[in-house]
Amino acid sequence: QKEVEQNSGPLSVPEGAIASLNCTYSDRGSQSFFWYRQYSGKSPELIMFIYSNGDKEDGRFTAQLNKASQYVSLLIRDSQPSDSATYLCAVNIGRSGSEKLVFGKGTKLTVNP
Amino acid sequence: GAVVSQHPSRVICKSGTSVKIECRSLDFQATTMFWYRQFPKQSLMLMATSNEGSKATYEQGVEKDKFLINHASLTLSTLTVTSAHPEDSSFYICSATAVAYEQYFGPGTRLTVT
Repeated sequence: QKEVEQNSGPLSVPEGAIASLNCTYSDRGSQSFFWYRQYSGKSPELIMFIYSNGDKEDGRFTAQLNKASQYVSLLIRDSQPSDSATYLCAVNIGRSGSEKLVFGKGTKLTVNP
Repeated sequence: GAVVSQHPSRVICKSGTSVKIECRSLDFQATTMFWYRQFPKQSLMLMATSNEGSKATYEQGVEKDKFLINHASLTLSTLTVTSAHPEDSSFYICSATAVAYEQYFGPGTRLTVT
C-alpha cells in the first residue's frame, strides 16, 4: 500500500511566525515530491516541488527532503493570514513511467492575525 | 503558464441523467490528464488516468461504465457521469501534467445530483 501521511492539524500559528508542515511516505522508490495549497472550496494549487535531498527555497517557502528518512517538509516563513489553507503533500509512487501522485489527507493551517 | 480550465464550474442535475465535464489545458499539451473526486473535508481521490488516444486507466473501485472518460486530443479530456445519483454529488477536479510529474489542477466542477 503506497501511503502518504500528514498530521491533519489544525496547525495554528501567529502572523509572522514560521509554519512547519510535515509529511512521511512509504514508497522508498518515490522520486518526486510536491506541496499543494488548497483553499476551502477551491482546487489545489502547486506551490513547491522537490526532487533531491536537501532544501529548496522559493520566496517564503522552503521544502526539505530526506529520502533516507522518507520525510518531506514545508516551511513557511513570515506566515500571513492569506496562507491559511489546507496543505497537501503529494508523492510520485515511483513506478517507472507512471505519473500518478499519491496525496496525503492534508494539514489545515490557520495563521492568526 | 500551465493553466488548466474546467467546464462547467457548477452543475445541478436530476437523478438518472448524465453530466459531461470538460477539462482543457490552455497553454500546453498534456499527454496525461487525471480525474479526481473530493468529498467534503476529505482528501483527493484519484479516479482515473487519461492518456491521449488510448483508454483511461481506472483506479480500483471506480466503475468505468459509470464514469466515462475520453481524451481525444492533447488539450481536452472529458468525464461523463452517467445515470447520476445523489451519492455521485461531489467536487470533481482534473489535472494535467506539463513537465515531468508536475500536475496542474483545473478549478474543479461541483456536481449536485437531486
